[in-house]
Formats: sequence, structure tokens, C-alpha cells
Amino acid sequence: GAGVSQSPRYKVAKRGQDVALRCDPISGHVSLFWYQQALGQGPEFLTYFQNEAQLDKSGLPSDRFFAERPEGSVSTLKIQRTQQEDSAVYLCASSTDRGSEQYFGPGTRLTVT
Amino acid sequence: GESVGLHLPTLSVQEGDNSIINCAYSNSASDYFIWYKQESGKGPQFIIDIRSNMDKRQGQRVTVLLNKTVKHLSLQIAATQPGDSAVYFCAERSGNFNKFYFGSGTKLNVKP
Repeated sequence: GAGVSQSPRYKVAKRGQDVALRCDPISGHVSLFWYQQALGQGPEFLTYFQNEAQLDKSGLPSDRFFAERPEGSVSTLKIQRTQQEDSAVYLCASSTDRGSEQYFGPGTRLTVT
Repeated sequence: GESVGLHLPTLSVQEGDNSIINCAYSNSASDYFIWYKQESGKGPQFIIDIRSNMDKRQGQRVTVLLNKTVKHLSLQIAATQPGDSAVYFCAERSGNFNKFYFGSGTKLNVKP
């Protein structure tokens, strides 16, 4: 079946612009995670949803980052007033329930110039 | 965050040899560990997992060993193949059930 998909795959933004990154999880997966992966580093947790409820957003680096999953399926990660340090790959993962194996999407590579 | 690190950032092995990738973790309360493989331009791919009540788990060509005494995790790949070339991450779960902490990764190069 289809895996986790993310769009766009690549995004170039000028500093100060807003961006929206989309994640389509595997159908039926209740848990959804966002991670930020800097070049040469491991993924770092940003936020977690169980269905439409955002249960943990402790990893969001600033109030410029906002995530939503209004209908418990597709999720959007929004970054306002992008800065150069926001340049990274943003990974989305989904799982059937909390704590079980997470399936990752290919990521969106964001470059802020 | 938790400290999950790897001893060797780059590992080069000959095709057919066995590979061992190591990982140290800092939180003795971590109860679940996963090894991921990440190829260039792709998201991490699950390889194998192990819970803290186990010392060893085997999969197809892969074995994970957990030493809770020294908080050490290792991934063994038997008969390494060129397709195994990638970056490998260990990840631990501790405390909060929904949050995993990843190490910085080890790049495995398999020489033909």
C-alpha cells in the first residue's frame, strides 16, 4: 500500500516568507509525528498528534512553528517568517498507535535564503 | 533532550564482511530502542527494534544487542552488501511514550 507522502519535496523560501509543508500519513494511522533533521544530524522531534489532537508540541523551536491536523489525517506544518536556521529536512512519520513503529515519509527539504 | 550518540561517525567495510554499528544512550529509563537506516534523499526506514526487557533480537541478517549495564546498543549486519550503504541511526524512547530521541548517525560505506 501507499506509504507516507510529503509535499513539496523541496522548498526554497526567502527569509521572512511563510511556508506550509504537507504530510499525508498512511491511511488509518492515528499517530502522526513531525521531525526536523539538520544536515548530518539525526531527526529531532517537533510535535505529535493522536488523531486530530496535538498531544505534544514541546519540540517546536519557536512560536513561528505551527502544526495542525484538523480531521485526523492530513497534517500541515507551517513556519512563519522563515529564518536561515529553519533550513533543514522536515520529516513526517505515522504509526498505528502510540509508541509503535513509525513509518517515515521522504521529507521536505526547506532552504531559506 | 536525551543524549544518544554513536562512537563512529563513518564505518567502511568490505562487501561480505560483518558490520557492527554502536550507539550509547544516557537515560537508563529508556524502555524501547529502534535502529533506522536512511538512504540519501529518503526518510528513515525501520530495521529492527528491541525492548529494554531483552538483551538480543535477531532479524534477517541483522541483530541488535542491548547492554543496559553500560547503556550501549549495537547493530550487527551479517554479510554486508552494497545495498546496506546508508546512514544508520539509533533512537530511544524514554518517559514520554510518543517521543523518540535520535543519535547523530553512522555512515556505513560498503566497498565492493
